[in-house]
Amino acid sequence: LAKTTQPISMDSYEGQEVNITCSHNNIATNDYITWYQQFPSQGPRFIIQGYKTKVTNEVASLFIPADRKSSTLSLPRVSLSDTAVYYCLVKENNDMRFGAGTRLTVKP
Amino acid sequence: EAQVTQNPRYLITVTGKKLTVTCSQNMNHEYMSWYRQDPGLGLRQIYYSMNVEVTDKGDVPEGYKVSRKEKRNFPLILESPSPNQTSLYFCASSLIATNEKLFFGSGTQLSVL
Repeated sequence: LAKTTQPISMDSYEGQEVNITCSHNNIATNDYITWYQQFPSQGPRFIIQGYKTKVTNEVASLFIPADRKSSTLSLPRVSLSDTAVYYCLVKENNDMRFGAGTRLTVKP
Repeated sequence: EAQVTQNPRYLITVTGKKLTVTCSQNMNHEYMSWYRQDPGLGLRQIYYSMNVEVTDKGDVPEGYKVSRKEKRNFPLILESPSPNQTSLYFCASSLIATNEKLFFGSGTQLSVL
């Protein structure tokens, strides 16, 4: 079983901020949280990775509370091209298990 | 260009006919893995390899074999394919097993008739 739980789908409109939360109640002390984006017929693409508090790059921000049992991927001002499936990944030993992902649909 | 290369991109075969899907990476990565993706089920790990000659089962290893004789190559072997192995397959690699920044190939769409 995957270690992570995410909403199955989300809808948004262009220009809005989107927050996708992932639950990982059994995260180990040394585990990082990694997020990926996948477009149809393509392999997933790394977006952002964090261990605690907040990480920001040119694409997204990742917020991780102190207990690290969840994390939130924040996409600022989404556009139609952000329509994709988003996965959070928490490693279990050396097994990189993905959850079912969140299908984000951005509408005009 | 740093990349993970899978071949073929599309494959149609018949039940029981052995096939191999190749995967190669040019980034000197130690960790490689195979996933299958089915509608509504996300990515499920089949096998992974932490380094040359070291492989281990993932969530759904039944019906698959792998080998890691060289660092750059990690082929996926279906000795006797069945229709329930019809799926989209992805190979991925990362620098080391403790680094979750995976690089994925473009995928192989397999249909077993």
